[in-house]
Amino acid sequence: NAGVTQTPKFRVLKTGQSMTLLCAQDMNHEYMYWYRQDPGMGLRLIHYSVGEGTTAKGEVPDGYNVSRLKKQNFLLGLESAAPSQTSVYFCASSSALGLAGGETQYFGPGTRLLVL
Amino acid sequence: GQQLNQSPQSMFIQEGEDVSMNCTSSSIFNTWLWYKQEPGEGPVLLIALYKAGELTSNGRLTAQFGITRKDSFLNISASIPSDVGIYFCAGRDQGAQKLVFGQGTRLTINP
Repeated sequence: NAGVTQTPKFRVLKTGQSMTLLCAQDMNHEYMYWYRQDPGMGLRLIHYSVGEGTTAKGEVPDGYNVSRLKKQNFLLGLESAAPSQTSVYFCASSSALGLAGGETQYFGPGTRLLVL
Repeated sequence: GQQLNQSPQSMFIQEGEDVSMNCTSSSIFNTWLWYKQEPGEGPVLLIALYKAGELTSNGRLTAQFGITRKDSFLNISASIPSDVGIYFCAGRDQGAQKLVFGQGTRLTINP
């Protein structure tokens, strides 16, 4: 039981390049989330998903796209990376709200992205 | 949108001291959570609070859900070096599918 895993752990991009961050969870969770963490800003929600095939915008969705084709995977895409997207990206998952422990989000180890 | 103000932003204390931090919201929350993040890792849940006035402990950690439902407090007693990290509060409104996070409190402990 690996919990939440993220790939890659670290990446350097040039402005304008694209990339996809992969998040996988093996807890059969319905909900998955992508956050970015910047110094002094805490965790800000980019996009989230409440089930396979569904996605929704969070607080800071611009410049990012997501897909949830399989329940266990949640992909975050940057089509044209910008220096402002330099950050640490965290994926999280949780069981559905209303179920016991539904509020608990389990986080992955993070992906550190540097855009030059 | 909803905002959480967490204070203090950072704390520098001596080992053995008690620690207090708090979080206030511009609106009412139905759930308050406290997470800890260690360097190079994702946040880990410490305590979850579900009812106004609720006081919950986890070892040396105690958290309270404020009566107004707009604030929450976390206390750490007799701090030890492994308490170092960033502590985040998070709140959820009833029916909301997502959490709102505070900016974090960075705790540094001098041995």
